[in-house]
This record gives sequence, structure tokens and C-alpha cells, in this order.
Amino acid sequence: KNQVEQSPQSLIILEGKNCTLQCNYTVSPFSNLRWYKQDTGRGPVSLTIMTFSENTKSNGRYTATLDADTKQSSLHITASQLSDSASYICVVSAGYNQGGKLIFGQGTELSVKP
Amino acid sequence: GAGVSQSPSNKVTEKGKDVELRCDPISGHTALYWYRQSLGQGLEFLIYFQGNSAPDKSGLPSDRFSAERTGGSVSTLTIQRTQQEDSAVYLCASTDRGRLNTEAFFGQGTRLTVV
Repeated sequence: KNQVEQSPQSLIILEGKNCTLQCNYTVSPFSNLRWYKQDTGRGPVSLTIMTFSENTKSNGRYTATLDADTKQSSLHITASQLSDSASYICVVSAGYNQGGKLIFGQGTELSVKP
Repeated sequence: GAGVSQSPSNKVTEKGKDVELRCDPISGHTALYWYRQSLGQGLEFLIYFQGNSAPDKSGLPSDRFSAERTGGSVSTLTIQRTQQEDSAVYLCASTDRGRLNTEAFFGQGTRLTVV
């Protein structure tokens, strides 16, 4: 069964600290993996998208890593800001033989405190 | 359009009434997804369209929920005889499956409140 599991479910950190969010998936075949940020009351917004051949991709203070062998991805947030408080969602796209279906993790709720 | 458009943005309805939610995807995007997000919960998959057909509707929670897509573009999600547990934000996303590693774009959602 295609699944995407995220951890931790929620996380509280102090402003200025770093944190790492995890995503494990069992989707096969795999096309790409995306990380989204969803602010409260808003739709998800894309942070990064990676194919199986990419190991790391950065977007400002956000750095995503991907290990296609172990089927694990992480999102590292550096020097956190209050505005980073949001839900972070890992999404895996299945291969074309499954119609490229998007499979969503349940998200990690990050709260950055002053 | 420039992005995925959903309407209405907010809907308050009485229990037992029918509601219709609309999603207008990005022009040319062949794949369209409906999700819902209850308060404090993650995204819950409802249905996936490829063109006008729905190869995966496994997430529809009951037969009160139905969705259609016409002309490979606009999609409507209909909830009949609404219940209070239907209250959630309903999100629509579209993607161009024809392009590998394409981006998926989300609408802002419709916040449905059943009273």
C-alpha cells in the first residue's frame, strides 16, 4: 500500500533554533517528492520538489534531502522565525503507471515560539 | 486563470441541506484532486480526476458525497444532506500530469460550516 508517514506529528521550538522534519514513504514506483507549507487558513504552498536523482534542494532557510534507497526525506529549517509556524506536508507522486497520483502525509505542525 | 480558484470561500449551511463546491483548476492541468481538512487534522484525500474521469474516488466518505468534472476543467464537489461532521476546509489541487515533476497547485479552499 502506498503510504507517506511524517514525524513528528507536532513540534515546538524557540525562535532562532533549527529543526528537522521527517518523511518516510512506501510509494513505488516513485516519481517525485514535494514539501509544502500550509499556514493556518490557507492552501498549501510548495517549498521544494525533488526527483529520485536529487539528494538535496534548498529554498532559502529550507533544505530538503532525499534518500531514494531508504525512501526517506527530511526538511531542515535553519534559524527559525515566528512566520515558520505552520503545517509542513510531505507529498509523494507515484509513477506514471499509477497515474502520477499524489499521496499526502498527515503533516507536521510546527510552532515557533519567541 | 493564474491559479486554482475555489468558490465559495466560505459556506455556512444548515444540517440536511445540499451544498455544491466549485474548483476551477489552472488552464491545461489534466489532473485535479479534492481534499478536505478538518480542524487540527491533516489533509484527507477525497477524489482524483484525470481529465473527466475519476480513477480514484476511494476517499469519498459516504454516498452523500459526489464529484464531477466537465470539459476537463471545472470540477464540482456535491455534498447531499449535510451533517455537522462534514464541516471542514475543502481544498482542490491541480497538476499537469503530462509533465514529469510538475508542480501541484492548491486553491485557497472552501470553509464549510454545517450548523
